[in-house]
Amino acid sequence: GAVVSQHPSWVICKSGTSVKIECRSLDFQATTMFWYRQFPKQSLMLMATSNEGSKATYEQGVEKDKFLINHASLTLSTLTVTSAHPEDSSFYICSAERREGTGELFFGEGSRLTVL
Amino acid sequence: DAKTTQPNSMESNEEEPVHLPCNHSTISGTDYIHWYRQLPSQGPEYVIHGLTSNVNNRMASLAIAEDRKSSTLILHRATLRDAAVYYCILRPLIQGNLIFGKGTKLSVKP
Repeated sequence: GAVVSQHPSWVICKSGTSVKIECRSLDFQATTMFWYRQFPKQSLMLMATSNEGSKATYEQGVEKDKFLINHASLTLSTLTVTSAHPEDSSFYICSAERREGTGELFFGEGSRLTVL
Repeated sequence: DAKTTQPNSMESNEEEPVHLPCNHSTISGTDYIHWYRQLPSQGPEYVIHGLTSNVNNRMASLAIAEDRKSSTLILHRATLRDAAVYYCILRPLIQGNLIFGKGTKLSVKP
């Protein structure tokens, strides 16, 4: 089956630093990738949608200058949390849609960010 | 985006069938009905999706009401590994976003 991999799976950083999370589709080309954030005991919240080679579309309330998304190829998208603060601590999850898929999304394992 | 309504939680016994309901009374004609599940500290996992007809795969069955205003995810024999939060989501035909609701937390008792 289709596999989406995220790296790192967990990261701890100091307040004010930037953290990059990678999302790769390992065995398929992904036309669209989605980034979600999930706080404890809550549902997933869509942050942005990115298409290869174009700028990401951010959901209302998500700061595009704080959460930088780059979708440079059909198999890689990155999310950079810039100047991270403790309130950015969360579980970040990406998902990818296969170029010639039938509508299902494939999700990464998630990346847990803790900002001290 | 059309919304879905699911019970907050359900319980099942191991090796018994489980019927997880979902109401989506404002569904549009081009919305697909998707089901995903999420185990603790993991990303969601695709379960099944359909448009009008009932669907079966190796994981589950999806029964869709004739008026498409509700659907039921059927796990034929629940196992302990099926304990998860199950999300019912509507997705537009043409690559719309997947917006998650609160889902149903399924507990499976041995």
